[in-house]
Amino acid sequence: AQTVTQSQPEMSVQEAETVTLSCTYDTSENNYYLFWYKQPPSRQMILVIRQEAYKQQNATENRFSVNFQKAAKSFSLKISDSQLGDTAMYFCAFMRNSGYALNFGKGTSLLVTP
Amino acid sequence: NAGVMQNPRHLVRRRGQEARLRCSPMKGHSHVYWYRQLPEEGLKFMVYLQKENIIDESGMPKERFSAEFPKEGPSILRIQQVVRGDSAAYFCASSPGVKVAGNTIYFGEGSWLTVV
Repeated sequence: AQTVTQSQPEMSVQEAETVTLSCTYDTSENNYYLFWYKQPPSRQMILVIRQEAYKQQNATENRFSVNFQKAAKSFSLKISDSQLGDTAMYFCAFMRNSGYALNFGKGTSLLVTP
Repeated sequence: NAGVMQNPRHLVRRRGQEARLRCSPMKGHSHVYWYRQLPEEGLKFMVYLQKENIIDESGMPKERFSAEFPKEGPSILRIQQVVRGDSAAYFCASSPGVKVAGNTIYFGEGSWLTVV
């Protein structure tokens, strides 16, 4: 079974600053997908960014980018120019290439302060 | 992803009652997944359904829980004889297919079950 570990239960960043959330995972698979989901106070699960393991280039979506280190099994999320609306729980998730179930980490609670 | 519709958003049940949670997938999606989020936890996979078929229910408790996705109408997650430990957020997600759109699935807004 694949496990996903988020070692930072809580983080805080000032508005306009940059913050990096950590995620590591354990798998014997070679092809897979990695995701970051955001869960704001409304509790909806919102897809932030997706990475395909066979792609070496790190995924980027506007202010959100990832640092994908396949050999180290690390998948960190960098949020640039943090905004108050970025305050949320952030979940890292893993999906096998041939699978359909997402394995989630326990999440990191991010607070963006003025 | 607002296209995945779940209702009710909030449901309160007394111990021993039944809870029914409904999910309508995004238009064009034929695959539905249910996840449960316990307090202070990430989401855990429960069940994967296609129309009229349960594909994988390995994450669902063996007793009291059932799910269906009929030919017509929404997918239903049913919890019989609820207990306090069933209090959680239940998320439905959908996708157009296992190997379509890069395996990205889209979540609904969740249904919060409180058992009193």
